[in-house]
Amino acid sequence: EAGVTQFPSHSVIEKGQTVTLRCDPISGHDNLYWYRRVMGKEIKFLLHFVKESKQDESGMPNNRFLAERTGGTYSTLKVQPAELEDSGVYFCASSLQGAINEQFFGPGTRLTVL
Amino acid sequence: AQKVTQAQTEISVVEKEDVTLDCVYETRDTTYYLFWYKQPPSGELVFLIRRNSFDEQNEISGRYSWNFQKSTSSFNFTITASQVVDSAVYFCALSEAYGSARQLTFGSGTQLTVLP
Repeated sequence: EAGVTQFPSHSVIEKGQTVTLRCDPISGHDNLYWYRRVMGKEIKFLLHFVKESKQDESGMPNNRFLAERTGGTYSTLKVQPAELEDSGVYFCASSLQGAINEQFFGPGTRLTVL
Repeated sequence: AQKVTQAQTEISVVEKEDVTLDCVYETRDTTYYLFWYKQPPSGELVFLIRRNSFDEQNEISGRYSWNFQKSTSSFNFTITASQVVDSAVYFCALSEAYGSARQLTFGSGTQLTVLP
């Protein structure tokens, strides 16, 4: 069974540019989460989808970040325009519906904003 | 609000030594889950263990063991007879057990280096 995949693995852009990160969850997983780890700090929650609906987006830092999950399959996270402080590793995770919250993580996308 | 503290930023040990990674958490929930994840150099987060707050029994899995103490809000992780392949960043995390918001609250991670 394929795990959570993320694309690209690494992105280097200049301040002011736009970047779109993609996450493909494990097939059949309704829950999809985005997290971010800024250099050396804790991994922080960004938002949670249940199928195509945003269940919780309380962790989104500001309106430069836009997440979508059309059709309830893969998800994209767009940063527009990117700022220096957006640099970090963006993780996606997915899980089945249910009481036990075991989230399976992807390898992350390392975003560097110059 | 939930919070997870991993006070050890970096630890270095020599192969075959035992090492304990500390995790202290804060939550107002009476029921919650605790987790440990490993992040090897390849980058992905690998799930190691999930513990329900009702279950305070310590758990052992091969060279790994976990000590959950509700009285001190700690969930420490011990690696016995460490190996070079154990070198990674280890994250402790917490989530509520019920409700729709199942996001994980992570600590800042402990970088473990096992030297040959």
